[in-house]
Parts: sequence; structure tokens; C-alpha cells
Amino acid sequence: DTEVTQTPKHLVMGMTNKKSLKCEQHMGHRAMYWYKQKAKKPPELMFVYSYEKLSINESVPSRFSPECPNSSLLNLHLHALQPEDSALYLCASSLDIGPEAEAFFGQGTRLTVV
Amino acid sequence: AQSVTQLDSQVPVFEEAPVELRCNYSSSVSVYLFWYVQYPNQGLQLLLKYLSGSTLVESINGFEAEFNKSQTSFHLRKPSVHISDTAEYFCAVTSYGGATNKLIFGTGTLLAVQP
Repeated sequence: DTEVTQTPKHLVMGMTNKKSLKCEQHMGHRAMYWYKQKAKKPPELMFVYSYEKLSINESVPSRFSPECPNSSLLNLHLHALQPEDSALYLCASSLDIGPEAEAFFGQGTRLTVV
Repeated sequence: AQSVTQLDSQVPVFEEAPVELRCNYSSSVSVYLFWYVQYPNQGLQLLLKYLSGSTLVESINGFEAEFNKSQTSFHLRKPSVHISDTAEYFCAVTSYGGATNKLIFGTGTLLAVQP
């Protein structure tokens, strides 16, 4: 199994809603990542988890709250988002956080904030 | 700090023609280099990577890239493209000896293969 599974695939939410994005992998990877990708732009790193601990937060606004309940799961909790937060949110995992480790990406959740 | 430059935002090419997608990087330390492909409405897939050793690396679907340290380049080539190669291609870098797999992506090149 070399898949990173993200749910839901599409999400429309209002600015007052609370929602969560989910990511799951069963490759035994110990590093997991959230990226944000705006249209026609490259992915931008948001968070890195290593061994279920937050390793990097790229100065992401607090309306985005990551959670890593166990080594296979990664969540992104969303609250009070703005329309400009609409984007494709990509989850990735790698064996560890070393710079040479191959990152496996999920297919993403396309988020629209209305 | 590292940066990646992909000068061509879009490369149109006819089917069965050769193609080169350019990637240049800037870094004060040694780097690892990657090419990722993103098909429409999909996530990213690793196409190939350079970590060390031979400077020419190949993918299973006919792409190759050559690491050129003196020119700080990692251009992607394919001798004959197919319609199915139409996608966005991202060059990315991480730093050797860095603590974290923090991929720095270029702005991407859309390869548009026409019949």
C-alpha cells in the first residue's frame, strides 16, 4: 500500500463553520505534512509532524489547527476561515523527516470557503 | 536558503516530439533534487530524484534528468512525449544535511502535448 488517502475530496464551508480534513497512510511513515496549493501555484508547506509531534509550523494562522492522533492519521481542523483560504490542501508522508526521504502525496481536498 | 526557478510556465509540444523542461536552483549548500508531476485534479507524484551518485537519473516512463552542479540545473527531458504526459511538472529541492524534508518547489511548468 503506497497510498495517502485524503477525505473529503471536496469541501464547501461557510466562514463560521468548523470542519476537519483527514489524511491517512499505512506505509509506516513517521513524518506527515500539510501543504496548501492555490490555483496555478506550487504547493506551500504548512505543517510537519515527526513521530506524531509537531516539528514545523510555517507561521500558519491559528484558524488552521493540525492534529496527529497516531502515526497513521493526520487531521487539519478548520475554523473561521476566509474566502482566500480556498485552495487544494495536500497531505503527504515520508519515511522520516530527512531531506532525502521521498514524499508521497494524497490527491488533496479541494476547499471552497463561501 | 534555497530557491528553485522554472522559467517556462508553459511548454506546448506536439506528440512524439522531444521536450526539455528547465529547472535551476540556488543554494549555499549541497542539495537533493526532485521532479514531481501533477495531473489535473490530482496530487503530486514523484517522477525522479537525484540524491547522489550518477548525475543522470531516469524514471520508469521515459523521462530523465541530469544534475549539473556547475550550472546549478536539473533539467527534465523526454525524447518522445505522449498525450498522456500532459500535466504540471514541479522541480523541488531540499538541502543536504538539513534537518527536515522541507521541499522548496519551483513555480511549475505546464507541459501541453498536442496531437
